[in-house]
Amino acid sequence: GESVGLHLPTLSVQEGDNSIINCAYSNSASDYFIWYKQESGKGPQFIIDIRSNMDKRQGQRVTVLLNKTVKHLSLQIAATQPGDSAVYFCAENPGSGTYKYIFGTGTRLKVLA
Amino acid sequence: KAGVTQTPRYLIKTRGQQVTLSCSPISGHRSVSWYQQTPGQGLQFLFEYFSETQRNKGNFPGRFSGRQFSNSRSEMNVSTLELGDSALYLCASSGLAGMYEQFFGPGTRLTVL
Repeated sequence: GESVGLHLPTLSVQEGDNSIINCAYSNSASDYFIWYKQESGKGPQFIIDIRSNMDKRQGQRVTVLLNKTVKHLSLQIAATQPGDSAVYFCAENPGSGTYKYIFGTGTRLKVLA
Repeated sequence: KAGVTQTPRYLIKTRGQQVTLSCSPISGHRSVSWYQQTPGQGLQFLFEYFSETQRNKGNFPGRFSGRQFSNSRSEMNVSTLELGDSALYLCASSGLAGMYEQFFGPGTRLTVL
């Protein structure tokens, strides 16, 4: 396979605090990005997306920031709740009108009560 | 609107056997992608089908194959199973014109003994 996927970094956050999860993507030509949340035993759940012609996009309690200069994405979760505990992945679409996504290694978010 | 469904959810096979997994995409979606998820390698792209044609393929051996039917349902097949094929196999559905959103099913957990 072509991906990475080694040790999963963990972010521990107090309930009610804001969380920031980072992702470095690989292809400067990638033009669309998705953040997914995956809970144990489930498939990845679509959270929010952003196109490369945007720097920021907001959803409900979540904000995605895109910095194309350094090929970096971040996901900000406001007022983190216990239900936010999961593994979060970023996925990049390298373009060409296909759905061949490249996934980051993932970050485990632990919300402390 | 119903989400992506995958059957079976769990499967146990022995080395050398073959297996067929099934995926039904979201109604109206024409693209189905398959991914393999393992703790060591993360999420890796297997292949994508669009309108019954394989449009993209990842770096997996020929033992992994798939097909898509006229109703967009897709199957993937793994022949001559190896212990290393134990993984969560995820199907993702996309395909509203001009949209790159990709939605995942719950996955099929394959264990090879």
